[in-house]
Amino acid sequence: QSVLTQPPSVSGAPGQRVIISCIGSSSNIGAGYDVHWYQQVPGAAPKVLISGNTNRPSGVPDRFFGSKSGTSASLAITGLQAEDEADYYCQSYDSDLSAWLFGGGTKLTVL
Amino acid sequence: QLQLQESGPGLVKASETLSLTCSVSGGFIRTTSYYWAWIRQSPGKGLEWIGSFYYSATTFYNPSLRGRVTISIDTSKNQFSLRLTSVTAADAAVYYCARSPVEMATNDNYFDAWGQGLLVSVSS
Repeated sequence: QSVLTQPPSVSGAPGQRVIISCIGSSSNIGAGYDVHWYQQVPGAAPKVLISGNTNRPSGVPDRFFGSKSGTSASLAITGLQAEDEADYYCQSYDSDLSAWLFGGGTKLTVL
Repeated sequence: QLQLQESGPGLVKASETLSLTCSVSGGFIRTTSYYWAWIRQSPGKGLEWIGSFYYSATTFYNPSLRGRVTISIDTSKNQFSLRLTSVTAADAAVYYCARSPVEMATNDNYFDAWGQGLLVSVSS
């Protein structure tokens, strides 16, 4: 079980909005450490989607939004497209474990 | 354009040492702007950060690996390496090398470039 908890799966129809949560604790997200989000399509390495809670690197569509509040963070994807079907991971730092951690991942299915 | 490429054996015997190398092109590992890291991904444990180093020889390791891991660099070849001793079945995974931009706060690091990954299996 991951220290950063994500739902195993979410789904949505094309054009819809989905939200993926990442629930942490006072030793990671709640301690103020940044949350970052990655997208991983099958057979490929993870790719950063959101850095520093809300920042989209160059080339990432503006349909992807990151937010953070208290001990949790969220990734919202609007205008869902078939190409968004992938696994999504959150990442942060944990001071109790002295390690950078990833969430367990969420599989997004576009119906 | 930056490229990272992992290399090494795809099969390691249990109790032996895993050694992997990451070759970096399109950028220099001897830089003040980035950390360089190893991350692995297994079906059972998901993505796991193994360790990171900075050109000044500062290294950070995941405490969960209990002193079994060493990261070293060869600036002449623009490569960095991972050494993991006493491997078990739990160490079977896809191993990635990655780059991490230096942030104002070190603990806010993330990974902005990844290699394609190398599958490592462990035999008994």
